[in-house]
Amino acid sequence: GESVGLHLPTLSVQEGDNSIINCAYSNSASDYFIWYKQESGKGPQFIIDIRSNMDKRQGQRVTVLLNKTVKHLSLQIAATQPGDSAVYFCGPAFRSGGYNKLIFGAGTRLAVHP
Amino acid sequence: TAGITQAPTSQILAAGRSMTLRCTQDMRHNAMYWYRQDLGLGLRLIHYSNTAGTTGKGEVPDGYSVSRANTDDFPLTLASAVPSQTSVYFCASSDGAEYNEQFFGPGTRLTVL
Repeated sequence: GESVGLHLPTLSVQEGDNSIINCAYSNSASDYFIWYKQESGKGPQFIIDIRSNMDKRQGQRVTVLLNKTVKHLSLQIAATQPGDSAVYFCGPAFRSGGYNKLIFGAGTRLAVHP
Repeated sequence: TAGITQAPTSQILAAGRSMTLRCTQDMRHNAMYWYRQDLGLGLRLIHYSNTAGTTGKGEVPDGYSVSRANTDDFPLTLASAVPSQTSVYFCASSDGAEYNEQFFGPGTRLTVL
């Protein structure tokens, strides 16, 4: 079956440090992977995506790395800020049964300390 | 631009009662989705609609129904609520059938007693 696992359910970092959130997935059928951020009391918010023909993609302060050989994703956040405190979800996306299916794991909580 | 709005923000509902969760988007997105979020289980898709007039079942559709009479609105109805439907419900929308970014609403927290 499909599953998404996260290596660290909670990650605590100091403000200004770099953060790395890891994610493993089991379904190798997807050609698209996505990261979402969810702040307390809010809906998930898109951060960055990556297609399977890439191994790295950079955004503003964020970088996603994809290793399809070991089915592993990571999200790197540079110079972590208090506003980055949230739960982060990763997962593959693909068409299944007529709709765009996102496989979300339980999430990793990032806590940024001053 | 409001994006996606959901109503109500929260609700306490007696078991056996019916309720409709409202969702409206102003982005003219074709696709809309309803998810429930439970601690430790992440987000699970309940129902979806790829375009106005069509709907489909997601991973956990039992006990829920949806309609898509127009592009903007996608209400979720619980015909006879049960305590296991206590959850936070998120509506989302996306533009087109490809793997586009899904935009999420602020959520509705529902407690069924």
